[in-house]
Amino acid sequence: AQKVTQAQTEISVVEKEDVTLDCVYETRDTTYYLFWYKQPPSGELVFLIRRNSFDEQNEISGRYSWNFQKSTSSFNFTITASQVVDSAVYFCALSERVVTSGTYKYIFGTGTRLKVLA
Amino acid sequence: EAGVTQSPTHLIKTRGQQATLRCSPISGHTSVYWYQQALGLGLQFLLWYDEGEERNRGNFPPRFSGRQFPNYSSELNVNALELEDSALYLCASSFSGLAGGTGNEQFFGPGTRLTVL
Repeated sequence: AQKVTQAQTEISVVEKEDVTLDCVYETRDTTYYLFWYKQPPSGELVFLIRRNSFDEQNEISGRYSWNFQKSTSSFNFTITASQVVDSAVYFCALSERVVTSGTYKYIFGTGTRLKVLA
Repeated sequence: EAGVTQSPTHLIKTRGQQATLRCSPISGHTSVYWYQQALGLGLQFLLWYDEGEERNRGNFPPRFSGRQFPNYSSELNVNALELEDSALYLCASSFSGLAGGTGNEQFFGPGTRLTVL
């Protein structure tokens, strides 16, 4: 079963539009972390944000904002006034404990390709 | 400060051969992660190394293996290559993922594009 679901495979918007990328996760852990990464056309993933399961405060960083809601197991990402440079694949990820081994693992969603048109 | 480096950039092999991919983490990072990014499948977790030991592995067959050296660099080996192994292999590093450090963000390298003919 997919533990991190990014239902939107591809989104196209016109520059200056706002866009929200959805992420729904599934975990039984009470302590976990959620992440967003950006993969521009060059291919190298770039870390955007980390959230731990005890901090539901929304965060804003410039044109980027994140909405974490434990009640709906969602961690959505909004880009305000999108720009062409925002065109990339965006991945949501979950870090949770592996019960059997006590170690941890990252689970990435399948990504959402965002195309911002000029 | 140098980022995560990976070599080679591209690798072309034929079915049945072995491939070796290399990764150097950011200085100070002891955890190294390997991912496979096949077309349309997102990132699939392969292996996690920390302090020279394999700490976790994803749902991949044993012909995917690796190791971490004392300087924390890492090698991924893929034996008996199959066509479906063609993918971008990404390496990431972070501060130690042990002792509850699961919240450490990972820094990714540019990847090695493996093509199996």
